[in-house]
Amino acid sequence: GENVEQHPSTLSVQEGDSAVIKCTYSDSASNYFPWYKQELGKRPQLIIDIRSNVGEKKDQRIAVTLNKTAKHFSLHITETQPEDSAVYFCAAADNYGQNFVFGPGTRLSVLP
Amino acid sequence: DTAVSQTPKYLVTQMGNDKSIKCEQNLGHDTMYWYKQDSKKFLKIMFSYNNKELIINETVPNRFSPKSPDKAHLNLHINSLELGDSAVYFCASSLGLAVYEQYFGPGTRLTVT
Repeated sequence: GENVEQHPSTLSVQEGDSAVIKCTYSDSASNYFPWYKQELGKRPQLIIDIRSNVGEKKDQRIAVTLNKTAKHFSLHITETQPEDSAVYFCAAADNYGQNFVFGPGTRLSVLP
Repeated sequence: DTAVSQTPKYLVTQMGNDKSIKCEQNLGHDTMYWYKQDSKKFLKIMFSYNNKELIINETVPNRFSPKSPDKAHLNLHINSLELGDSAVYFCASSLGLAVYEQYFGPGTRLTVT
């Protein structure tokens, strides 16, 4: 089955700096890669996703890049703000809903 | 108008008891899921239902059984609760299988004593 690794497990940045979180996956059949943000005590919420026919996707201060050959994808947050502090999860899935797996999460702290 | 709701929000019970968690979505989605989030925040999919058919059944103990009376509801029944079942359980729904945004419920914090 699919295995998703995520690094780093914790990340602290100064407000205004950039943050990068990296994930790797094992199943070459995976073609959908969402990122979820979970604030303390809240539910996970989708912030951005990318499909295998696209190499990069941007939405304001967040962007995701995908390298299918190397089986890794990354989340980039620019101009970080204190409200970006949360746990971020990457995930990988295939078209058939099989092997939907979350990474272990990255706790991002943005220091004012 | 809550999109995905779960009850109860908190559940404290003793080992050996049987309990249920209810989930309802008003988004008209075809697929619903149950996730377990442990104390280390790992999110693991337990079940998913697509049009009332079980699609994914991960290696969870058979003490856990999902029940879907209709496509807007997916309840989770747990028999003979164990200490290791303590976790936050999230229900979620999506338009279709996996490759669509999943909308999560607020979670149910289960504590087994």
